[in-house]
Amino acid sequence: GQNIDQPTEMTATEGAIVQINCTYQTSGFNGLFWYQQHAGEAPTFLSYNVLDGLEEKGRFSSFLSRSKGYSYLLLKELQMKDSASYLCAVMDSNYQLIWGAGTKLIIKP
Amino acid sequence: GAVVSQHPSWVICKSGTSVKIECRSLDFQATTMFWYRQFPKQSLMLMATSNEGSKATYEQGVEKDKFLINHASLTLSTLTVTSAHPEDSSFYICSARDLASGRVDTGELFFGEGSRLTVL
Repeated sequence: GQNIDQPTEMTATEGAIVQINCTYQTSGFNGLFWYQQHAGEAPTFLSYNVLDGLEEKGRFSSFLSRSKGYSYLLLKELQMKDSASYLCAVMDSNYQLIWGAGTKLIIKP
Repeated sequence: GAVVSQHPSWVICKSGTSVKIECRSLDFQATTMFWYRQFPKQSLMLMATSNEGSKATYEQGVEKDKFLINHASLTLSTLTVTSAHPEDSSFYICSARDLASGRVDTGELFFGEGSRLTVL
């Protein structure tokens, strides 16, 4: 079956760096996405990786290793507003998005 | 980016009644819209894919007679929860792709604000 694994919850300090990992097993691969979801709100798009390597976008970076079925989202210079759930999703061979359960990130002052 | 609007944001209803949720793409056309359900602390679960002018495609385990989907135009899809029960209480989210962005593989899904349904 298809499976996306990411930690349930993480805690970090304001101003620090945090890495959220995601491992996946899917039927085919057409890209991996990271979304941010604040409580009670819909997800918003953060990043898309389809080739191996690191994609940097401001304070957020996303890394992909297709051979390892692994990705991470790196958040630098954490701000209180970064407290949210971070969802990892993989697009399979049918272009369907398979969603992870999300990682709740708690930022402490 | 493109804007998707959902209405209502919150709805409380009595058990046995039906509730309609609207999903509109405000500044783009969407032949395909997706309906998700999300229970607390759980992942987004795709319920169905709504196609303009044709029947929706439901995911396994989703009752099509209970969750009626209508996609009558390129900018509007509706989800009707019929004879709602407390176990249907959830966060329902729609999303759509902007046709003009073209590429299926970019995953540029734009989400509505979500609709929180509470069935008493």
